Amino acid sequence: AQTVTQSQPEMSVQEAETVTLSCTYDTSESDYYLFWYKQPPSRQMILVIRQEAYKQQNATENRFSVNFQKAAKSFSLKISDSQLGDAAMYFCAYRSVNSGGSNYKLTFGKGTLLTVNP
Amino acid sequence: EAQVTQNPRYLITVTGKKLTVTCSQNMNHEYMSWYRQDPGLGLRQIYYSMNVEVTDKGDVPEGYKVSRKEKRNFPLILESPSPNQTSLYFCASSLSGVGFGNTEAFFGQGTRLTVV
Repeated sequence: AQTVTQSQPEMSVQEAETVTLSCTYDTSESDYYLFWYKQPPSRQMILVIRQEAYKQQNATENRFSVNFQKAAKSFSLKISDSQLGDAAMYFCAYRSVNSGGSNYKLTFGKGTLLTVNP
Repeated sequence: EAQVTQNPRYLITVTGKKLTVTCSQNMNHEYMSWYRQDPGLGLRQIYYSMNVEVTDKGDVPEGYKVSRKEKRNFPLILESPSPNQTSLYFCASSLSGVGFGNTEAFFGQGTRLTVV
């Protein structure tokens, strides 16, 4: 079974600065998908960014980018020019490329609570 | 608007009193699932459904039931709730099948359940 580890329960950043959230995972599969989800105080789960393991290029979405290191099984999220609205719980998640049955679930890390200081 | 709707958003109940949390999606997704979120544990899958009348256990299914009689609805049933089922619950739906693994899972707004 796959596992996802977020080693930073809490992080803080000054507004306009850059912060990196860590995520490592364990899998025996060679192909898979990785996601970062944001959960603000409203509790809504919002997809921030996704990465296909077969793609070497790191995904980027505006101020959000990832550092995907397949060999190290690492998938960190970098938030540039942090804004107050970025304050939230962030979850790293893994999904198998095998679309059948139990493999299709999202396996989540425990989350990192990000605080943005004005 | 594409959405997953859960009801209720908040629920306080007593031990042993059967309850149902409803979930409905308007995106014609085949795959639906339920997660529970607990502090320090992240989200864990309770049950999932690949399509109508096809359901199976996730990682933490004990004490829960589900049904999938229609494609859009996937209710979560607690036949005899206990205090250890106090949690935040999310329903999610997504496309499934070959080539759709990277697609976004859409989540409901969450249901905060307290069992006393």
